[in-house]
Amino acid sequence: DAGVTQSPTHLIKTRGQQVTLRCSPKSGHDTVSWYQQALGQGPQFIFQYYEEEERQRGNFPDRFSGHQFPNYSSELNVNALLLGDSALYLCASSLVETGANVLTFGAGSRLTVL
Amino acid sequence: AQSVTQLDSQVPVFEEAPVELRCNYSSSVSVYLFWYVQYPNQGLQLLLKYLSGSTLVKGINGFEAEFNKSQTSFHLRKPSVHISDTAEYFCAVTFMYSSASKIIFGSGTRLSIRP
Repeated sequence: DAGVTQSPTHLIKTRGQQVTLRCSPKSGHDTVSWYQQALGQGPQFIFQYYEEEERQRGNFPDRFSGHQFPNYSSELNVNALLLGDSALYLCASSLVETGANVLTFGAGSRLTVL
Repeated sequence: AQSVTQLDSQVPVFEEAPVELRCNYSSSVSVYLFWYVQYPNQGLQLLLKYLSGSTLVKGINGFEAEFNKSQTSFHLRKPSVHISDTAEYFCAVTFMYSSASKIIFGSGTRLSIRP
């Protein structure tokens, strides 16, 4: 049973560019959440998608946007990249019916902004 | 306001010694509690969770945690650690509001095992 898969695993961008990260949830899960983890810190919640809609959003600017597709996979888009956007971006999937947010994480996409 | 605090940023211990990683939270609503482990260059893996029932929860790799509602704590323990337990450990709390839930992660505790 495949877990959460993310792509790409690593990428390097320059300031001002745009990036798209992709996530396929664990089989059977219907909810996808995205987190940003800066070096030496805990994951910070960006947003959560369910039924192709953004359900919740953390304290991130509008440069961060997302999408969920009918097959539950998801994308995270970041526009006008800043140096401070360099981080590990984690995707996590869950089942909405549990309500408890029992998350299954992918290995992450490490973004470096130069 | 809801918050999650991991009191120790780093915990060094000798191999085969016991360890306790501390987690406290502040909440005015009901909660679910989790511990996740992150090995170098990997995502987070669920160690254990408290949703309801017995306050002593057993997880993978010999770890356990106890929910103490009066102390608002969920400390993680292992009686005898191994070199392979070297990792970053994150406490996470889901806060259950009437209309939605919100999960907050602690800042993490780096567990380093000395031979």
